[in-house]
Amino acid sequence: DTEVTQTPKHLVMGMTNKKSLKCEQHMGHRAMYWYKQKAKKPPELMFVYSYEKLSINESVPSRFSPECPNSSLLNLHLHALQPEDSALYLCASSFNTGELFFGEGSRLTVL
Amino acid sequence: QQQVKQSPQSLIVQKGGISIINCAYENTAFDYFPWYQQFPGKGPALLIAIRPDVSEKKEGRFTISFNKSAKQFSLHIMDSQPGDSATYFCAASRGSSNTGKLIFGQGTTLQVKP
Repeated sequence: DTEVTQTPKHLVMGMTNKKSLKCEQHMGHRAMYWYKQKAKKPPELMFVYSYEKLSINESVPSRFSPECPNSSLLNLHLHALQPEDSALYLCASSFNTGELFFGEGSRLTVL
Repeated sequence: QQQVKQSPQSLIVQKGGISIINCAYENTAFDYFPWYQQFPGKGPALLIAIRPDVSEKKEGRFTISFNKSAKQFSLHIMDSQPGDSATYFCAASRGSSNTGKLIFGQGTTLQVKP
């Protein structure tokens, strides 16, 4: 079982909605990540938090807003999304570079 | 320079056979090479990883072979089983200055026929 827990597993939202994805880990990892994955494609890095501070933003549109309330929690706030933003959103955490532990993802559909 | 090229895109192997997936990279600064396994509807799971100071690493039926001079590495799955049917991603990253910035290959969909 994954030790990175993501909620909700599935989310359907309209283009005017505001919703949030949540991620939690209790492995003591100090780096947490958001990835986006389209069908049959590799995960694409969106954001990296290191010691609760945003360290990497891969030029993600502002309609995606990350938040790291503490070292165990990571949120992704969604607002005014487009249908092309429909994807699997993966949270991950790590101690060290590269040894990422992924959650099972939140499947997002934007209508 | 940042790309990791993975082949083949898809692979069909008979049960008990050997599955081989290859990856190549350009950036010689990469120093960590993991393989991830992903089942449909699940997140990727770290399968096995290698650093450039060794040429081979084996864990059970899974082996990574690493050729530093050729800038290539490969995953070998011995005695392939239907339960190994999944998508496999190779990846590469470099040092702590680029925390978590894994560069993924495009993925290989493996089907193991019973």
